[in-house]
Amino acid sequence: AQSVTQPDIHITVSEGASLELRCNYSYGATPYLFWYVQSPGQGLQLLLKYFSGDTLVQGIKGFEAEFKRSQSSFNLRKPSVHWSDAAEYFCAVVPYGQNFVFGPGTRLSVLP
Amino acid sequence: DADVTQTPRNRITKTGKRIMLECSQTKGHDRMYWYRQDPGLGLRLIYYSFDVKDINKGEISDGYSVSRQAQAKFSLSLESAIPNQTALYFCATSEIGQALRQEQFFGPGTRLTVL
Repeated sequence: AQSVTQPDIHITVSEGASLELRCNYSYGATPYLFWYVQSPGQGLQLLLKYFSGDTLVQGIKGFEAEFKRSQSSFNLRKPSVHWSDAAEYFCAVVPYGQNFVFGPGTRLSVLP
Repeated sequence: DADVTQTPRNRITKTGKRIMLECSQTKGHDRMYWYRQDPGLGLRLIYYSFDVKDINKGEISDGYSVSRQAQAKFSLSLESAIPNQTALYFCATSEIGQALRQEQFFGPGTRLTVL
């Protein structure tokens, strides 16, 4: 079945540590790919997006993501996490000719 | 000022009641969307509208209806609320033209509880 998966429901990291959030999709053709962040009590904010070209994408707040076609993955990374990064992170894909499909989300907690 | 606003932000209601959630936007976007968010399920599309005369069902439209009163306003109604409609509801907008590639801009959400 076509889907978007985020294998980690909840991740806890220490402030200053590196972070990687995983996202995998199962669609025949490469969809458009997005990462959104939802801070507590707020709507979703776009971190970055990938349509084509360079497979390493830079976003806001120091985040980056790498598209790997062979693994159908679009993992989000940050080299040094700040306490303000604690939030829920959603991977989303747009298969050709379809609407956005969101993953289940990964909740990030940051230890001081 | 927020570009996409939702009212109310929180609502508690009883089973069987009719509820309307409202969304307004000042971004000038033609396309508007309603999603619900449930823990562990991410966001699921309820309805979307590509312009005032265009309304489309999403993945989970049963039990919901919408009205696009103007380019800037898109309302979601629960005709007879039931407890499993308890969720966080988001409105979103996007530009026309290559729309499915575009970023979606989200409102702050409405937390609805049906008792």
